[in-house]
Amino acid sequence: EDQVTQSPEALRLQEGESSSLNCSYTVSGLRGLFWYRQDPGKGPEFLFTLYSAGEEKEKERLKATLTKKESFLHITAPKPEDSATYLCAVRGDYKLSFGAGTTVTVRA
Amino acid sequence: GAVVSQHPSRVICKSGTSVKIECRSLDFQATTMFWYRQFPKKSLMLMATSNEGSKATYEQGVEKDKFLINHASLTLSTLTVTSAHPEDSSFYICSARQREAYQETQYFGPGTRLLVL
Repeated sequence: EDQVTQSPEALRLQEGESSSLNCSYTVSGLRGLFWYRQDPGKGPEFLFTLYSAGEEKEKERLKATLTKKESFLHITAPKPEDSATYLCAVRGDYKLSFGAGTTVTVRA
Repeated sequence: GAVVSQHPSRVICKSGTSVKIECRSLDFQATTMFWYRQFPKKSLMLMATSNEGSKATYEQGVEKDKFLINHASLTLSTLTVTSAHPEDSSFYICSARQREAYQETQYFGPGTRLLVL
């Protein structure tokens, strides 16, 4: 069974304090690793898809990287509006398997 | 990115009644849509996979007679919670799979908050 583990569970940052979120996974036949952002009471918002080890994607202050066993979401110089829960998911044979998420709080 | 809508955003109903939730892909066609349930401070739990024109595939432990899914067109899937009870109160989220070239991406709706009294 596909498994996704995210760490840490929660992350409190000062505005401008860069950090990284980790997503470790085991999957039979990776067909994509996905990062989503979820705000309270809302559905997940798509951020990135990574397909192969060594791949990197960037969007504003976010950068996602992928190895054969894990992915990192780097947040550079975060702002309060980056506060959210970040979800990692892997696509195996037929469905997405989600991690529990990392809740990021950025203080001004 | 692609847009998925859900209606209603929140619904309150009495125990024993049925509630229908609609999920629409607004700017793309989706042969496959998914229904998830999310408990407070928990991640998404896949309930079922909805395929246009065929029966939905339910995850283990999900009652197909209680959670009726219909995917009648390439842009609309519905989830009906039949004979709802307080334990069915939850946040229900749908998603639609978009295929472009060799890439597949699931886009999520904004969710529906169901409260059963």
